[in-house]
Amino acid sequence: AQKVTQAQTEISVVEKEDVTLDCVYETRDTTYYLFWYKQPPSGELVFLIRRNSFDEQNEISGRYSWNFQKSTSSFNFTITASQVVDSAVYFCAEGDRGSTLGRLYFGRGTQLTVWP
Amino acid sequence: GAVVSQHPSRVICKSGTSVKIECRSLDFQATTMFWYRQFPKQSLMLMATSNEGSKATYEQGVEKDKFLINHASLTLSTLTVTSAHPEDSSFYICSARDRDGGWETQYFGPGTRLLVL
Repeated sequence: AQKVTQAQTEISVVEKEDVTLDCVYETRDTTYYLFWYKQPPSGELVFLIRRNSFDEQNEISGRYSWNFQKSTSSFNFTITASQVVDSAVYFCAEGDRGSTLGRLYFGRGTQLTVWP
Repeated sequence: GAVVSQHPSRVICKSGTSVKIECRSLDFQATTMFWYRQFPKQSLMLMATSNEGSKATYEQGVEKDKFLINHASLTLSTLTVTSAHPEDSSFYICSARDRDGGWETQYFGPGTRLLVL
C-alpha cells in the first residue's frame, strides 16, 4: 500500500499565482515525521521542512507554508506568489519507526512549472 | 549544516563493467546510510539500508549480488553496480543518518547519474 500519495502529477501556474501541493500519508505509527523536498533539474534534493506527528501547528517560512491536518492525514504545501525559480519537482515523504528506522517513503512527486 | 557528498556525480560506462559510487558524510558520523534509486520522472525508491560494520539490508526485488554495498566506516558507504546493463541507468542518491541526531535526522547527497551504454 502506498504510504504517501501526491495525487497531482503536474501543476502549471503563472508567476505570482498561489499554488498548493497536496500530500496524503498513511501510517500506523503514532510517532512519525513528514517531510517536503524540492528537486530542481540538477537532481539534488533540497530539504524544505520536517514536521513531527505531535506538532500540528501550521508553519510559514517566507512564501512557503504548510498545513498539517492529522484528521485527514494530509500535509499540504502552499507557495504564495510563485516565481519561476520555484519550478521543480516537489516530494512529500514520511518516516516512522514501523520498519527500518529512518527510512523515508516518498510520494511520486509533483512537477510544478511556473511560467513567467 | 551537515553535508553528504557523492562521488562521482555522473558516470558513463560500458555494459558489463562495474561502477562504484561513494557516499560520504563530511562533518558527522553516520551509523546508517540509505541508497535510493530514481528513474526519470519517477519517485525515489529505497534500494537498501547500509549499517556500519554489518551487512546491508536490501529491499524486496533488489539483487544483492548486483548492487554490492559496503559500509566500512562511520563516514563512508559504497554502492557497486556489478556487470552494469543499460537498464541500470538511473539516478542514485544516498542519505545518511546522523549518529548523534534523532532517527528522523538524515541528510541527502547530491546524487550520481549513471548511464550504461
